[in-house]
Amino acid sequence: DQQVKQNSPSLSVQEGRISILNCDYTNSMFDYFLWYKKYPAEGPTFLISISSIKDKNEDGRFTVFLNKSAKHLSLHIVPSQPGDSAVYFCAAYAYNQGGKLIFGQGTELSVKP
Amino acid sequence: KAGVTQTPRYLIKTRGQQVTLSCSPISGHRSVSWYQQTPGQGLQFLFEYFSETQRNKGNFPGRFSGRQFSNSRSEMNVSTLELGDSALYLCASSLAAAGPGGEQFFGPGTRLTVL
Repeated sequence: DQQVKQNSPSLSVQEGRISILNCDYTNSMFDYFLWYKKYPAEGPTFLISISSIKDKNEDGRFTVFLNKSAKHLSLHIVPSQPGDSAVYFCAAYAYNQGGKLIFGQGTELSVKP
Repeated sequence: KAGVTQTPRYLIKTRGQQVTLSCSPISGHRSVSWYQQTPGQGLQFLFEYFSETQRNKGNFPGRFSGRQFSNSRSEMNVSTLELGDSALYLCASSLAAAGPGGEQFFGPGTRLTVL
């Protein structure tokens, strides 16, 4: 049972344009969401997060949007840079599940110069 | 501040063998979580330890076990290895539980290949 889904395994974007990575979830008990970025041969690194009481969180070029009614979140990267090319994972957390992060399958973003 | 370290980085084993992976968290971090990453499956949660106690467990068979020592270092053991256990095993540490203020910091992983 995949509670967090990233239905696009890959995404290709031109440098300078917007990258939009999507994530859907099924568990309405999730109350905190995170995005991680992963380069080959490295562990994932935390990028940005959002609490379920908010619908938007912005950090520089990165903005995460949360639509609770649709159980959908998205990560916007504007403008996209070649260094953003990596695999992006969304993850969700429920307080009543302790320290357990549920990850999506990941989306590989390729930003072309 | 040193990051999360995992040893070994690469490991090749044969079916039926057992393996032990090690993780040293960031200094001061008391929570250590383990994940299995396979193509198309993302990161699957294995278990989380906090102050030497297993606080949470994923849906993996009993062949997968772990422990945490008093210095917060953690080990993960897989017995009777199967071909499907081939994966990248990631360890993550955090100050407390995952969530607000408890973002997890990942190590580079141990690539396990089972032949």
